[in-house]
Amino acid sequence: KQEVTQIPAALSVPEGENLVLNCSFTDSAIYNLQWFRQDPGKGLTSLLLIQSSQREQTSGRLNASLDKSSGRSTLYIAASQPGDSATYLCAVVHGGSQGNLIFGKGTKLSVKP
Amino acid sequence: GAVVSQHPSRVICKSGTSVKIECRSLDFQATTMFWYRQFPKQSLMLMATSNEGSKATYEQGVEKDKFLINHASLTLSTLTVTSAHPEDSSFYICSATQGRGYTFGSGTRLTVV
Repeated sequence: KQEVTQIPAALSVPEGENLVLNCSFTDSAIYNLQWFRQDPGKGLTSLLLIQSSQREQTSGRLNASLDKSSGRSTLYIAASQPGDSATYLCAVVHGGSQGNLIFGKGTKLSVKP
Repeated sequence: GAVVSQHPSRVICKSGTSVKIECRSLDFQATTMFWYRQFPKQSLMLMATSNEGSKATYEQGVEKDKFLINHASLTLSTLTVTSAHPEDSSFYICSATQGRGYTFGSGTRLTVV
């Protein structure tokens, strides 16, 4: 059974710091991996999608890497800003292109001005 | 980009009544739609997967007679919580896919009093 774990559960950093969020999954047979952002009481915003054949994806200050063989992904946020404060969720698609997403519990990030 | 509209964003209902939540893909045809539930400080949990024109597939432990899912067209799926009880109070999110990435609705906060 696929399980997704995110460490740390919560993180507080001062503005301007670079930071790394970690995600691990137990079954390396994934179709893709996606990072989401969730603001309190809101829906999810997709940040980055990495196909199983890819090693990393970049969007602005965000960089996500994928090491499928070791079951790990990291989300790197450069020069963090207070507006980055949110919960970041990692999810894998297991079981083909129409498979459902399996989520981690998320990392709650707080960026202090 | 792909947009999924979910309504209502918030609903308060009396115990014993039914509530319908709509999920629409606005600019694409969604071959598959998913319904998730999120309890406070928990990860998103998949409730059911629906494909247009066929019966939804429910995850273990989810009562299909209580959570009615209808996916009558490629752009609309509805979740009806029947005979709602306070323990059904939660955050419900839908997502839709054409087979590659996933687009999420903004979520519905259901409170049953």
